Amino acid sequence: GENVEQHPSTLSVQEGDSAVIKCTYSDSASNYFPWYKQELGKRPQLIIDIRSNVGEKKDQRIAVTLNKTAKHFSLHITETQPEDSAVYFCAASKTASGGSYIPTFGRGTSLIVHP
Amino acid sequence: DGGITQSPKYLFRKEGQNVTLSCEQNLNHDAMYWYRQDPGQGLRLIYYSQIVNDFQKGDIAEGYSVSREKKESFPLTVTSAQKNPTAFYLCASRRQSNTEAFFGQGTRLTVV
Repeated sequence: GENVEQHPSTLSVQEGDSAVIKCTYSDSASNYFPWYKQELGKRPQLIIDIRSNVGEKKDQRIAVTLNKTAKHFSLHITETQPEDSAVYFCAASKTASGGSYIPTFGRGTSLIVHP
Repeated sequence: DGGITQSPKYLFRKEGQNVTLSCEQNLNHDAMYWYRQDPGQGLRLIYYSQIVNDFQKGDIAEGYSVSREKKESFPLTVTSAQKNPTAFYLCASRRQSNTEAFFGQGTRLTVV
């Protein structure tokens, strides 16, 4: 099955700095890569996603890059703000037999933005 | 807010008891999932269901059971056979396509 590794487990930055979180995946057939943000005590929510037919996607201060050859994808947050503090999860999934799409998640990165 | 509801938010269980966590969605999603979240472990898949009356074991199904009698509902029972049930449980759903998952707000289960 798919294996998703996520690094670092904890990331501490000063407000205004950039933050980068990296994930690798094992199954070359995976073709959908979402990122979720989970604030303390709340549900994970999608912040950005990318499909295997593109290499980069941006949404304001957030961007995701994908390198299919190396099987890794990264989340980039620029001009970080204290409200960006949360746990971020990457995931990978693919179209499997029988139409199943089981997302496999990384272990999460706890991002702390210091004012 | 999301259209997927878990209840209760907090649940306390005595050792040896079975408990059932509720998950309901009104998003008309075919697929539903149960994850367990422990600190530093990420989201681990317990069970999933792609269609009514069908479900499959995930990576850590031992000690858990589910049912999918209705499209909207996917309850999870934590049985007494689950050796370490204290955790945060998340239910999710998504369309029958490779798209984002929508999560419930979670149930924190504590064994006392």
